[in-house]
Amino acid sequence: GAVVSQHPSRVICKSGTSVKIECRSLDFQATTMFWYRQFPKQSLMLMATSNEGSKATYEQGVEKDKFLINHASLTLSTLTVTSAHPEDSSFYICSARNSLYLEQYFGPGTRLTVT
Amino acid sequence: AQKVTQAQTEISVVEKEDVTLDCVYETRDTTYYLFWYKQPPSGELVFLIRRNSFDEQNEISGRYSWNFQKSTSSFNFTITASQVVDSAVYFCALSWAGNNRKLIWGLGTSLAVNP
Repeated sequence: GAVVSQHPSRVICKSGTSVKIECRSLDFQATTMFWYRQFPKQSLMLMATSNEGSKATYEQGVEKDKFLINHASLTLSTLTVTSAHPEDSSFYICSARNSLYLEQYFGPGTRLTVT
Repeated sequence: AQKVTQAQTEISVVEKEDVTLDCVYETRDTTYYLFWYKQPPSGELVFLIRRNSFDEQNEISGRYSWNFQKSTSSFNFTITASQVVDSAVYFCALSWAGNNRKLIWGLGTSLAVNP
């Protein structure tokens, strides 16, 4: 299967600061990347879909000015949580796919804690 | 409406027992895709299988097998001779051609395999 990496795996930041999470497809070119958020013991909640070279499409209720997504290359997408608050603490997961894969391949996730 | 239902929230079995995880889906589309993912305690989602709507063949992969039945809109997953390492949350998901390959997720079934 395809490999997706995510960095950092854990981050603790202070309220009001910004945090950037990187998602990389290591052995394939990802035309589409997805960003999810997962609360404890819950399913995945899709935040946004990003296609390489285009603006991300955000799901209803997700603040695009707070969760900045950049997909500048076929192997890298970034999610920046701006002016983080404790309620932004969560497990953030990215996934990637391309036209060869109907399935999404997931990164290992980033656990964000905002103090 | 497009929907995935995993009615079993938690299942607990003893090692070597067989266990079946249920997945029922709803979709208006004639072309769609069904997936199973495993999320072990580490958090990283692992792709297990994809099944296309036009392919009703069941699949077996080692101790894992999947039963796809369009007549009952079900895509059930059976683990034979379960092992402790099978302990994880298992998600069933649905995608279709018209939604940019976004996944609609079930709520997941938490499987605990006890020694």
